[in-house]
Amino acid sequence: GAVVSQHPSWVICKSGTSVKIECRSLDFQATTMFWYRQFPKQSLMLMATSNEGSKATYEQGVEKDKFLINHASLTLSTLTVTSAHPEDSSFYICSASPGNSYEQYFGPGTRLTVT
Amino acid sequence: ELKVEQNPLFLSMQEGKNYTIYCNYSTTSDRLYWYRQDPGKSLESLFVLLSNGAVKQEGRLMASLDTKARLSTLHITAAVHDLSATYFCAVDIGGGADGLTFGKGTHLIIQP
Repeated sequence: GAVVSQHPSWVICKSGTSVKIECRSLDFQATTMFWYRQFPKQSLMLMATSNEGSKATYEQGVEKDKFLINHASLTLSTLTVTSAHPEDSSFYICSASPGNSYEQYFGPGTRLTVT
Repeated sequence: ELKVEQNPLFLSMQEGKNYTIYCNYSTTSDRLYWYRQDPGKSLESLFVLLSNGAVKQEGRLMASLDTKARLSTLHITAAVHDLSATYFCAVDIGGGADGLTFGKGTHLIIQP
């Protein structure tokens, strides 16, 4: 149990375009989902916390107008990178947490390359 | 601001040896997580430590938590090559599920 999927697993896009990444909890309802970013050879950095039916909470330094997060259902959160630039190239990983649980289940990640 | 520090950041060791990775954090927390990451992959959960004095073991890995010292350790016993990976500790300070703050990771290479 506790499987989280992401789609796509990798994507290449041109500078200035937008990319949407989906994060799904497959066998549980996720009250909260998190989005992390990992640059090569670095650690994971929390970008935002997404709660179903409410606005996402962004970490300091993360542009909410650039990284649009929607958590429309208890099994799906989406991250849209708008007007992507090469510096947005990174490994984006989501995690999902069932209600009232300390557990976080991580997705397989989405590798974004902006050319 | 919560800070999580791991050391060492890089470790090369021989098979059969023992070693310990340390994780210090700056703010009171009762939840400490250890993850493994293989190159190009996402995170694999190893341990969740929920209380002071917690000790968990799985195979050649053992993790412990001292909340008073704000210190967790990941001990590797009789290392084997398959344990080569990057290991992260992470801390959650929220009352419920909260975003995690990660250490920089320990890149572990185990040589035959």
